[in-house]
Amino acid sequence: ETGVTQSPTHLIKTRGQQVTLRCSSQSGHNTVSWYQQALGQGPQFIFQYYREEENGRGNFPPRFSGLQFPNYSSELNVNALELDDSALYLCASSLDRRAAYNEQFFGPGTRLTVL
Amino acid sequence: EDQVTQSPEALRLQEGESSSLNCSYTVSGLRGLFWYRQDPGKGPEFLFTLYSAGEEKEKERLKATLTKKESFLHITAPKPEDSATYLCAVKTGANNLFFGTGTRLTVIP
Repeated sequence: ETGVTQSPTHLIKTRGQQVTLRCSSQSGHNTVSWYQQALGQGPQFIFQYYREEENGRGNFPPRFSGLQFPNYSSELNVNALELDDSALYLCASSLDRRAAYNEQFFGPGTRLTVL
Repeated sequence: EDQVTQSPEALRLQEGESSSLNCSYTVSGLRGLFWYRQDPGKGPEFLFTLYSAGEEKEKERLKATLTKKESFLHITAPKPEDSATYLCAVKTGANNLFFGTGTRLTVIP
């Protein structure tokens, strides 16, 4: 059983560019959540996808968008990059969002640097 | 407004010196409290989930406990490999996790 994987590992972009980050969920998991972690801070919830639909969103602007595919893998897209978008982007998968009690398992993250 | 506060921000221990990390929370409708370990530049690693006051869970040198207002992560006889940032998170009515800022633990040989 493979865990959560993310690609790429590192990414450098310039202000105004667009970026796409990818995540493969753990086998059997149909729910994917994305988090942004700035240096020295805890992860902050961006949004969650369940069966290809957005299921909850944190306090992030619309230029942060996502997709979930039929195989439950997911993408995070960020348009018009700003310097403050520099962070570790984490993907977490869980068994089923409807379950009252379920853990989220995190991938290794993508380190995004915006210059 | 939901709030999670972890203390201390940083903790240095001698190898074998037991201690506790604190996570206090103010949330409406707690649906679980989670502890994660995070090594530098890596994703959080799941440790424990606690669902109700009085619950305790153990794993090797770690023991997590939960009351109605806070959770403790007790570390017994720590080793240098226990050095990491320990994150506490709560799940409420929404399905996302709300994290504290973490406690950075350093265990000195």
